[in-house]
Amino acid sequence: ETGVTQSPTHLIKTRGQQVTLRCSSQSGHNTVSWYQQALGQGPQFIFQYYREEENGRGNFPPRFSGLQFPNYSSELNVNALELDDSALYLCASSSPDRAGEQYFGPGTRLTVT
Amino acid sequence: DQQVKQNSPSLSVQEGRISILNCDYTNSMFDYFLWYKKYPAEGPTFLISISSIKDKNEDGRFTVFLNKSAKHLSLHIVPSQPGDSAVYFCAASDVGGSGGSNYKLTFGKGTLLTVNP
Repeated sequence: ETGVTQSPTHLIKTRGQQVTLRCSSQSGHNTVSWYQQALGQGPQFIFQYYREEENGRGNFPPRFSGLQFPNYSSELNVNALELDDSALYLCASSSPDRAGEQYFGPGTRLTVT
Repeated sequence: DQQVKQNSPSLSVQEGRISILNCDYTNSMFDYFLWYKKYPAEGPTFLISISSIKDKNEDGRFTVFLNKSAKHLSLHIVPSQPGDSAVYFCAASDVGGSGGSNYKLTFGKGTLLTVNP
């Protein structure tokens, strides 16, 4: 059984640029959630995708957007990067029968300079 | 407004003893609670969960207790091992959305557990 994978591992971008982060869900999981973890904080929910539709969103501005593909993989896009967007971005997948349990990937460390 | 609080940033215990990690929540709509363990440079790893219809759930060395009236849960690790040293996050689910798997997780800030040999 393949776990959740994310790419890239690390990324450095300049303020104002755009970034795309990718996630492959665990086998058998059809739901993907994205979280932002700032230093010293717990993960903060960005949004969730289910059946290729956004299915819940946290307190993040519209410049944070996403996609889910038919194979349940997902992308997180962030436009007009700000310095405060520097964080660890985590993707988590879950299955319909164990919906409350989310399994996380290793994350993408984004640094905005 | 932090809805899930872990008031102890760190905890140090001796190998073989019990580790007790605590978590408080304020949102009475939360109905599912989870504990995750996180090592540096890795994503959180699911440990154990509990539904609000239960007050205890056990899995090997890990037991989670839920006190709904106090809005408090705790994770007990017995016996503690050096490999348990990590940051532990408490999380609660907020059921909502239009359907499907919509369990948004709200996390605490974490507690760094150090188990000394």
